[in-house]
Amino acid sequence: GQQLNQSPQSMFIQEGEDVSMNCTSSSIFNTWLWYKQDPGEGPVLLIALYKAGELTSNGRLTAQFGITRKDSFLNISASIPSDVGIYFCAGYNQGGKLIFGQGTELSVKP
Amino acid sequence: DVKVTQSSRYLVKRTGEKVFLECVQDMDHENMFWYRQDPGLGLRLIYFSYDVKMKEKGDIPEGYSVSREKKERFSLILESASTNQTSMYLCASRKRAGSNQPQHFGDGTRLSIL
Repeated sequence: GQQLNQSPQSMFIQEGEDVSMNCTSSSIFNTWLWYKQDPGEGPVLLIALYKAGELTSNGRLTAQFGITRKDSFLNISASIPSDVGIYFCAGYNQGGKLIFGQGTELSVKP
Repeated sequence: DVKVTQSSRYLVKRTGEKVFLECVQDMDHENMFWYRQDPGLGLRLIYFSYDVKMKEKGDIPEGYSVSREKKERFSLILESASTNQTSMYLCASRKRAGSNQPQHFGDGTRLSIL
């Protein structure tokens, strides 16, 4: 089925560094969502974006809905050890189906 | 806050058993979903329901069925469990269809079929 291209697949960073990850699609999306999943847990919603160009923050997290409606990025500033986990993008396509990216696995070295 | 509760965090069953996974949400959401999550395959939609007594097949419904007798509860049934159904199962709910509102997930059930 349709998938989002999420990159990078994994990241190993030092505590305090900034992190950037993104999702792209060949088709237009109406809504972009970013989730975080800790090991053995379910995904937790971080940020929801509803309009092209929208830039939204949640603490140290910032996400943007791309102008073309075909991409979105998530930035994490000043990473801390508890940021470790898998970050998923997801988007509603024109048909109203929620499509998920494959995830970015983040590791943070203290 | 939306609360989606899955009845078991870990479950071990035997091949051929009928397995029930339960999910309850407390926010009066109309829509509910069942996914499975496997390494390298991401989240795949098994079944969903837009309202009580309604159900729709997702991308991988084979070997599964669902039940939605009450608005707050959505059950996933493995009719005759097989080892290839060993997986992490995630339930999600959403306010209503057509709203592009986020889906909210439970903590998951890690199911092992021996």
